[in-house]
Amino acid sequence: SQQGEEDPQALSIQEGENATMNCSYKTSINNLQWYRQNSGRGLVHLILIRSNEREKHSGRLRVTLDTSKKSSSLLITASRAADTASYFCATAPTTGANSKLTFGKGITLSVRP
Amino acid sequence: GAVVSQHPSWVICKSGTSVKIECRSLDFQATTMFWYRQFPKQSLMLMATSNEGSKATYEQGVEKDKFLINHASLTLSTLTVTSAHPEDSSFYICSAREGNRVVGYGYTFGSGTRLTVV
Repeated sequence: SQQGEEDPQALSIQEGENATMNCSYKTSINNLQWYRQNSGRGLVHLILIRSNEREKHSGRLRVTLDTSKKSSSLLITASRAADTASYFCATAPTTGANSKLTFGKGITLSVRP
Repeated sequence: GAVVSQHPSWVICKSGTSVKIECRSLDFQATTMFWYRQFPKQSLMLMATSNEGSKATYEQGVEKDKFLINHASLTLSTLTVTSAHPEDSSFYICSAREGNRVVGYGYTFGSGTRLTVV
């Protein structure tokens, strides 16, 4: 069953603008991860934030986590046309290698050149 | 970094035939691999967890006799769609995580297999 719910479901912005995507989840988590998927391809891991962290940065990515609200946001700054893709949040209940990820429905981001 | 190779990237088969999809971890050992199914413009749904040397654990509603999973070695898991029908047409993706990697890393996904049953 899906745990994460992202919003908006689709986002269209101009190149250079910032893109903010939100994710909400329902149960307790150990960590939350964001992935990117180009059309017809596999997923690429972007960033992981643990339940005891509130904010994390990686290049043009900034992710926040609010465990009290069970929500996370992914901010992509200075977007590029190449950022056009689907973005998924996924939650993990534990840290083990066999911990099952539960994915949200995904957000389709279109960056206009 | 960790790489997972999935093969084939696409396959078209006739209804009633079986199709095998391979998932290999190229530079790490994966005691556990995961198989997902994704319909167009939808999210990934976990089908089963594949454990090396033991039977796979299937999610509720997934027919284990139809989706045969074999994890024969620490670097290879296969998914066989038996007696495929058009409704089995979908995008299948595997993933794995290197068990001894430092916590903080995500999972590595294969590039997916587009199955079309005609």
